Amino acid sequence: GNSVTQMEGPVTLSEEAFLTINCTYTATGYPSLFWYVQYPGEGLQLLLKATKADDKGSNKGFEATYRKETTSFHLEKGSVQVSDSAVYFCALSRMDSSYKLIFGSGTRLLVRP
Amino acid sequence: DAGVIQSPRHEVTEMGQEVTLRCKPISGHDYLFWYRQTMMRGLELLIYFNNNVPIDDSGMPEDRFSAKMPNASFSTLKIQPSEPRDSAVYFCASSPPGPLRGHNEQFFGPGTRLTVL
Repeated sequence: GNSVTQMEGPVTLSEEAFLTINCTYTATGYPSLFWYVQYPGEGLQLLLKATKADDKGSNKGFEATYRKETTSFHLEKGSVQVSDSAVYFCALSRMDSSYKLIFGSGTRLLVRP
Repeated sequence: DAGVIQSPRHEVTEMGQEVTLRCKPISGHDYLFWYRQTMMRGLELLIYFNNNVPIDDSGMPEDRFSAKMPNASFSTLKIQPSEPRDSAVYFCASSPPGPLRGHNEQFFGPGTRLTVL
């Protein structure tokens, strides 16, 4: 079936460090892939997305590349800030008629000054 | 533009009481989703609607939960009777129409934090 696996958190980094949050997926067909971010006390909001293989989504300094050969969509940022502290969710969109988002378990990021 | 609106933001009730959560999706969106988030189970899809019609309620935990969407601008999630294990944050999300359905993002509301004592 369709599923998303994210690295366990929390991830704790110092400000300006490099960030990678791993995400791999299992899916039939060619799903769209998403990263959502949840700041404390808020709902999820879309960070970036990629809709086909080799696409790179980017936003606010974050990037992720749709790698079909490795079924991965790792999130990266070259220099994190304290304000990036949040929970990050990788998700895929099923391409059958059900139109559901399948979410990973989330990875908490804590950035220290 | 207003985003997805949920009310109340916080609800504290006693076991056995009826709880009603409300959601107003973004105008023009034709899909509406209800999610539940807990530490133990993460983010779970409970039910979703398309053009006010429930499409899949397989995530609704049991008969104590019900959801309605009487019109395009309003939906409710009701728990009757409530139990302590229902304590969670409940999110509503909506999504716009379009030919490439699977590419569309979902817009989440701020959530309702429910505590059942």
